[in-house]
Amino acid sequence: KQEVTQIPAALSVPEGENLVLNCSFTDSAIYNLQWFRQDPGKGLTSLLLIQSSQREQTSGRLNASLDKSSGRSTLYIAASQPGDSATYLCAVSVIQGAQKLVFGQGTRLTINP
Amino acid sequence: NAGVMQNPRHLVRRRGQEARLRCSPMKGHSHVYWYRQLPEEGLKFMVYLQKENIIDESGMPKERFSAEFPKEGPSILRIQQVVRGDSAAYFCASSTGTGGYEQYFGPGTRLTVT
Repeated sequence: KQEVTQIPAALSVPEGENLVLNCSFTDSAIYNLQWFRQDPGKGLTSLLLIQSSQREQTSGRLNASLDKSSGRSTLYIAASQPGDSATYLCAVSVIQGAQKLVFGQGTRLTINP
Repeated sequence: NAGVMQNPRHLVRRRGQEARLRCSPMKGHSHVYWYRQLPEEGLKFMVYLQKENIIDESGMPKERFSAEFPKEGPSILRIQQVVRGDSAAYFCASSTGTGGYEQYFGPGTRLTVT
């Protein structure tokens, strides 16, 4: 059974810092890994999707890496801003199980001005 | 191309009533997924449907919950005789296919059972 873990559960940093969020998964049989952002009481905003054959994806100040063999992904946020404050979710698309997404519990990020 | 639509956005039901949540996938998408987010918990898969077929319902509670995706119209998640523990955010996602296709999420329906 696939399990996804995100560390840390919460993170608070001053504005301008670069930071890394971590995601690990137990079964490397995945199609892809996706990072989402969720604001309180809101829906999910897709940030980056990395196919299992890829090593990283970049979008603006965000860079996500994937090491499928070790079951790890990182989301790097450069030059953090208060508007980046949100919960960040990692999800893997499992090959066994009709491609459902298995989510981590999320990292609650606070950027202090 | 409009995104995934869900309605209602907020739904309040008394214990014992029925809740019907609707999801219209993105145009051209024939694969629909439902996920539930309980308060202070992560999102959990409930059911995966293609047009007129339930493909995987391994995450659905055995009783009171059902889902459908008819040939015409939106996908419906139906909860009969709701209880307080059903209070959660229910998200729908759609994709064009299986095998690594990205899932696009709707804004969710927040169900409150009083």
